[in-house]
Amino acid sequence: DAGITQSPRHKVTETGTPVTLRCHQTENHRYMYWYRQDPGHGLRLIHYSYGVKDTDKGEVSDGYSVSRSKTEDFLLTLESATSSQTSVYFCAISEGNSWEQYFGPGTRLTVT
Amino acid sequence: EDQVTQSPEALRLQEGESSSLNCSYTVSGLRGLFWYRQDPGKGPEFLFTLYSAGEEKEKERLKATLTKKESFLHITAPKPEDSATYLCAVHPSNAGGTSYGKLTFGQGTILTVHP
Repeated sequence: DAGITQSPRHKVTETGTPVTLRCHQTENHRYMYWYRQDPGHGLRLIHYSYGVKDTDKGEVSDGYSVSRSKTEDFLLTLESATSSQTSVYFCAISEGNSWEQYFGPGTRLTVT
Repeated sequence: EDQVTQSPEALRLQEGESSSLNCSYTVSGLRGLFWYRQDPGKGPEFLFTLYSAGEEKEKERLKATLTKKESFLHITAPKPEDSATYLCAVHPSNAGGTSYGKLTFGQGTILTVHP
């Protein structure tokens, strides 16, 4: 299995509070991605990174920010959580040769 | 706009009953098509990459094929442990730029295999 961990694995938070999810990899892959998965919508890309300090928006980036200060860590921040951000969040990595992505175990976030 | 449609949404099979899952795609150009398996409560697990029409890949009871507009995941003599959601994703080519591996996923097919 690809060395990808996500923390926390489960979180319940209140509307309006800031939340940070962490993705950590031990594969030294250049590319990292954050997705959310919701019933009826499948996996949707939030943000991605193509190197340290190099990030860009995906299709559902509103309300989210990211940072990547080291190759191994990619942080996803919800500045002010809303109920519509209740979801399962997955991190993925890719080395960029064949572009297949390897996914972490996910974080289940509930915003009450 | 790139689109991926998977059918059926759900498929129930008896153990040993072979079948196929479909992934239809609309992209301006295709760099690769990916199949994943996802078990409940877990992240997607990579299965195959297909790059060009006519290509086939096999792994145990699974075989993936690719045409210019769709891909099939054939499951031969399935077992209950093959029960999972199967996801298809495409990596569009982006003339004049780089897509940085931005994949577009279908919504998946939920496969249930009964003993």
